[in-house]
Amino acid sequence: AQSVTQPDIHITVSEGASLELRCNYSYGATPYLFWYVQSPGQGLQLLLKYFSGDTLVQGIKGFEAEFKRSQSSFNLRKPSVHWSDAAEYFCAVGDGNFNKFYFGSGTKLNVKP
Amino acid sequence: IAGITQAPTSQILAAGRRMTLRCTQDMRHNAMYWYRQDLGLGLRLIHYSNTAGTTGKGEVPDGYSVSRANTDDFPLTLASAVPSQTSVYFCASSIGKITDTQYFGPGTRLTVL
Repeated sequence: AQSVTQPDIHITVSEGASLELRCNYSYGATPYLFWYVQSPGQGLQLLLKYFSGDTLVQGIKGFEAEFKRSQSSFNLRKPSVHWSDAAEYFCAVGDGNFNKFYFGSGTKLNVKP
Repeated sequence: IAGITQAPTSQILAAGRRMTLRCTQDMRHNAMYWYRQDLGLGLRLIHYSNTAGTTGKGEVPDGYSVSRANTDDFPLTLASAVPSQTSVYFCASSIGKITDTQYFGPGTRLTVL
């Protein structure tokens, strides 16, 4: 069965500190992998996605993610967090051939001044 | 450019009533989607449409129906609302496939009493 696991429900980091949000997936074939961000009271916005090629993917707002097939992981990172990064982050896996798309349960990021 | 608009913003509905959530996009995207977001569960795909005139079932379609009479509009109907349909509903669109970048509307908060 397809699934996406985000083990951290809440994370708090200090402004300027580095960030890593964890994501593990379970999918039969090589999936498309995504990170979306949701600011309070708003819809979701794509940060980055991966399907093939370089396993380190650069996204918007200074975020990057690394695909590790051996660990079935697609962790999101940012070297220095800004207060405006406080939001909820969703990892997702998709299959365009079968119109499947599964989101993780989300990680809520708080940023301390 | 508005992107995706959803109406209403929020609604309180008595159980058993019929309700249609509206979604309109002005990006001329072929594909559109409806998700529901529940605490601790992330977003789950209800129905999708790859092009005008076609629709398909997502992960949680029961109790919901959709239509796609034209490119721009993708209404979601609850024929007889039940309390378990209390949720935040997001409409999204993409150029072609579900694995293309999805653009999300601001959401509709629905409470069924």
